[in-house]
Amino acid sequence: GAVVSQHPSRVICKSGTSVKIECRSLDFQATTMFWYRQFPKKSLMLMATSNEGSKATYEQGVEKDKFLINHASLTLSTLTVTSAHPEDSSFYICSARLHDSYNSPLHFGNGTRLTVT
Amino acid sequence: SQKIEQNSEALNIQEGKTATLTCNYTNYSPAYLQWYRQDPGRGPVFLLLIRENEKEKRKERLKVTFDTTLKQSLFHITASQPADSATYLCALAGMDSSYKLIFGSGTRLLVRP
Repeated sequence: GAVVSQHPSRVICKSGTSVKIECRSLDFQATTMFWYRQFPKKSLMLMATSNEGSKATYEQGVEKDKFLINHASLTLSTLTVTSAHPEDSSFYICSARLHDSYNSPLHFGNGTRLTVT
Repeated sequence: SQKIEQNSEALNIQEGKTATLTCNYTNYSPAYLQWYRQDPGRGPVFLLLIRENEKEKRKERLKVTFDTTLKQSLFHITASQPADSATYLCALAGMDSSYKLIFGSGTRLLVRP
């Protein structure tokens, strides 16, 4: 149980276009999902907390108009990178908790490798 | 500010030996600490959670210790195997919200056959 599916796994886009990444909890419901970004050989950086039915909570320094998050159902959160630029190229990973408990471990998707040319 | 430190240099050991990875943190008193494994190009996978009132936690060949005085957690893999080669991340709850997990930069483990 507790499978998180992320799609696409890889995407290449041109500078100035927008890219949408989907994150689904396949066998459980998630009121909260977390979006992370990871640079090569670096740690995961929390970008935002996605809340079902309400606005996402963004971490300091993350542009909410650049990284649009929608959590329209209990099993789906989407991250849209708008007007992408080469510096947005990165590995984006979503996660969710099986249980809504603060110490419940995170279950991660397999990430999306975004390359902006 | 809260800081989580893991050895950035890869740990290279011989198969069968015990691997010991370190996670140090500053300016925070977390209620619990988690360890994850990450393979290249994949999302992290949860391994173990240890609470502040627990000194040690074991799961099969894995052992985690948590010293809140030293502000340090040690992660051990006994009888290591080449399949254990991966990056291991420690994670703590964020200072402003226990629901958010903040990760260390990870330590890459290489187990030689």
